[in-house]
Amino acid sequence: DAKTTQPTSMDCAEGRAANLPCNHSTISGNEYVYWYRQIHSQGPQYIIHGLKNNETNEMASLIITEDRKSSTLILPHATLRDTAVYYCIVESYKYIFGTGTRLKVLA
Amino acid sequence: EAGVAQSPRYKIIEKRQSVAFWCNPISGHATLYWYQQILGQGPKLLIQFQNNGVVDDSQLPKDRFSAERLKGVDSTLKIQPAKLEDSAVYLCASSLDGTGATDTQYFGPGTRLTVL
Repeated sequence: DAKTTQPTSMDCAEGRAANLPCNHSTISGNEYVYWYRQIHSQGPQYIIHGLKNNETNEMASLIITEDRKSSTLILPHATLRDTAVYYCIVESYKYIFGTGTRLKVLA
Repeated sequence: EAGVAQSPRYKIIEKRQSVAFWCNPISGHATLYWYQQILGQGPKLLIQFQNNGVVDDSQLPKDRFSAERLKGVDSTLKIQPAKLEDSAVYLCASSLDGTGATDTQYFGPGTRLTVL
């Protein structure tokens, strides 16, 4: 079973920040949090990952709580092309995907 | 840098027929993964190779599924005979080295299999 819990779906207005939450209350100290997204008919695309500290790259920011039991993926200025299923994964030598959050960016 | 390549992109077969999928990982990546993604679900790991050795095949239905990675580069996944419930997208992924504490996987576009 997946070690993460995510909302089934979310909507976001184009140009606004999209904040996607993920709960991983059973995470162990050496397990990383990974985020991927899957646009329709494509393979999952790597977005970002982190262990303890907040991370930022050209695609997104990852905020991990101090107790590491939850995290939030932030897309700072969502566009229509960000419409996808977003997966939060707690990785320990292998990925176990849940059903993810279906994000719809609205014009 | 070229990504993970998979072929074919689509395949339609009758039940009880056999089918094979091919994957070429990112150059230099030692670890290769095959996933099955049923409609509406997240991908499920079928098998993981480290170079040409199997690391994890606990979720592979070995009575009908087989996979190989003979020279530690390309890989093929075969289903024989196919069942209706095998209809899914088969994804290949690769990573630089699957033995460390963390290793980012990069996915190919997948092969969509329909079994009639």
